[in-house]
Formats: sequence, C-alpha cells, structure tokens
Amino acid sequence: NAGVTQTPKFRILKIGQSMTLQCTQDMNHNYMYWYRQDPGMGLKLIYYSVGAGITDKGEVPNGYNVSRSTTEDFPLRLELAAPSQTSVYFCASSRQGRHSPLHFGNGTRLTVT
Amino acid sequence: GESVGLHLPTLSVQEGDNSIINCAYSNSASDYFIWYKQESGKGPQFIIDIRSNMDKRQGQRVTVLLNKTVKHLSLQIAATQPGDSAVYFCAESYQKVTFGTGTKLQVIP
Repeated sequence: NAGVTQTPKFRILKIGQSMTLQCTQDMNHNYMYWYRQDPGMGLKLIYYSVGAGITDKGEVPNGYNVSRSTTEDFPLRLELAAPSQTSVYFCASSRQGRHSPLHFGNGTRLTVT
Repeated sequence: GESVGLHLPTLSVQEGDNSIINCAYSNSASDYFIWYKQESGKGPQFIIDIRSNMDKRQGQRVTVLLNKTVKHLSLQIAATQPGDSAVYFCAESYQKVTFGTGTKLQVIP
C-alpha cells in the first residue's frame, strides 16, 4: 500500500493565482483531512470529510475549498492565493475518525509571493 | 530541511540512553491521546496511542504514560538510536483533535 499520496511536493504561486493540491489514499479510509503546518505551531485543520460526498469546515477554512467525489481522493483548492497561505499542507486519513490515528502524506510545501 | 523544527524545545540525548518527551494537554475531557514522530521533510507518523481509561501503554521501545490528574502525557523511548532523531508531538482528542507544537529530539552518537 502506498498510504496517503500528495502532489505536488513543492509549489510557488504568485498572489492571486489558484491551484489544487492533490491527495489520494489506498487504505479505503472513510475519514480524510487537510491540515496546514506553520513553524512553531501545531497542525491546524482546514477541512475534513467523513465519507464520499460529505465535507465540513475545520478551524481555518477561509481561502480554501474541498470536494470528495470518491473515497480515495480529497483535493484541496486554493483560490486567489495570499501570502498568509504560505505553509506546509498535509493530507491525512483515518479509519474511525477521532478515535483512531491519522495516516499522513508527506506534505506539499507552498510559497505564495 | 523542514522549518517545522524551528523555535521548538530541543532534547539532546546520548545514543543508547532513554529519552523522555513531555506534553501538557489542555482539555480534561479529552479521551484519546496520540504521539506522532515527524522526520525532516516528511509527514507525521503514528507512534503510539492511549485511551483515557489507561495510564500506561507499551509498544516496541516506546511507552506512553498518561496522568489525567495533572493533564500530562509523556513518551519514553528506550535505548535511543540516531534514527529516533525527529520532532515528536502529542495530540489530544475530544470533540476534535488538537495537536501540540512538538519537541525536537536530537540523538548524539
């Protein structure tokens, strides 16, 4: 199993540009999450999904959108990129929601200039 | 390397010694706790978890201790190896999962 796969690994965007961060998992997990990680801060939840067709906002959803058309894929869309969105983004999945450990991808490092 | 290690407390340990990494959690209602390891340039990796009805759980070379009275969690790593060098952080779970900021473990050969 590949686990959770994220692409791209790195990306530089200009202010106002848009992009989609891709995430796919092959563990048949219903729960999927997007986090951002900033230096010296704990992971912050952007959006999550409890199954195909269901998404919900986390702590810091502004400026982002998600969709979940299949169990495997959970892309994160950035519209009108801003410097405050410079961060490392992690996608994760879990088998049973908050009472089971998260399986993380290796992240996308995004810089907005 | 990853900037996630900047501004974090650092624990330096001699190879072969035991390491103890501490975490204070905030919500007395949290009922599930997890330790993660994050190596430079990688995503967090699950190490061990514990539910609130336990106070100790052991894995391979790792032990987690939970003290609910003082809301404290610790991770003990036995016979620390160079491959253990990473950032370690805890997470607590109640209605949502909250992550700590982490401790950088540096193993001295």
